[in-house]
Amino acid sequence: GQQLNQSPQSMFIQEGEDVSMNCTSSSIFNTWLWYKQDPGEGPVLLIALYKAGELTSNGRLTAQFGITRKDSFLNISASIPSDVGIYFCAGWGTPGGSQGNLIFGKGTKLSVKP
Amino acid sequence: GAGVSQTPSNKVTEKGKYVELRCDPISGHTALYWYRQSLGQGPEFLIYFQGTGAADDSGLPNDRFFAVRPEGSVSTLKIQRTERGDSAVYLCASSLGRMTPLHFGNGTRLTVT
Repeated sequence: GQQLNQSPQSMFIQEGEDVSMNCTSSSIFNTWLWYKQDPGEGPVLLIALYKAGELTSNGRLTAQFGITRKDSFLNISASIPSDVGIYFCAGWGTPGGSQGNLIFGKGTKLSVKP
Repeated sequence: GAGVSQTPSNKVTEKGKYVELRCDPISGHTALYWYRQSLGQGPEFLIYFQGTGAADDSGLPNDRFFAVRPEGSVSTLKIQRTERGDSAVYLCASSLGRMTPLHFGNGTRLTVT
């Protein structure tokens, strides 16, 4: 089945640093969504991307839908302590796939640099 | 309320027992989804409702799992003869409709002892 691969699996951030993470797939996706999950809570939608090449910002967050439709990246500028958490990419695959089955990556865990 | 509401937030049950997990979606959202999340993993799809009907139940792991949404709003996920491997966080989400972003509740943490 379709899978999303996120990298890195985990990373440490120092306040003020820029952070970048990405999501790739071997198959085409029509929509990319980026979510953040804090402990004990459900995923919260950060950015939604609908067209290949689309670049969208939400405050300090910027995400892009890759031209090949097989990848997406998320950048966080000037990180702050509350950015820690787990970031998930998610997407719906090509037409014919279930619209209910939003596929998730395994997440990138952001922690504060000790 | 403004968001997706799930009850209970935590449920501990003994192996072999029956459990029900409830989801109250965002008002006006026609689509409702159940996902399961194990530690260190992303959410995995279980079932999707459009209105009252289950449009896709291909993610349900076996026939011990069942979900209903009788009036097109609140949904209940039912698990019979629970097993220790069923322990996970069960997430509910809702959306306005086809291919629109999902909004998640905080989940029910199920522990089967």
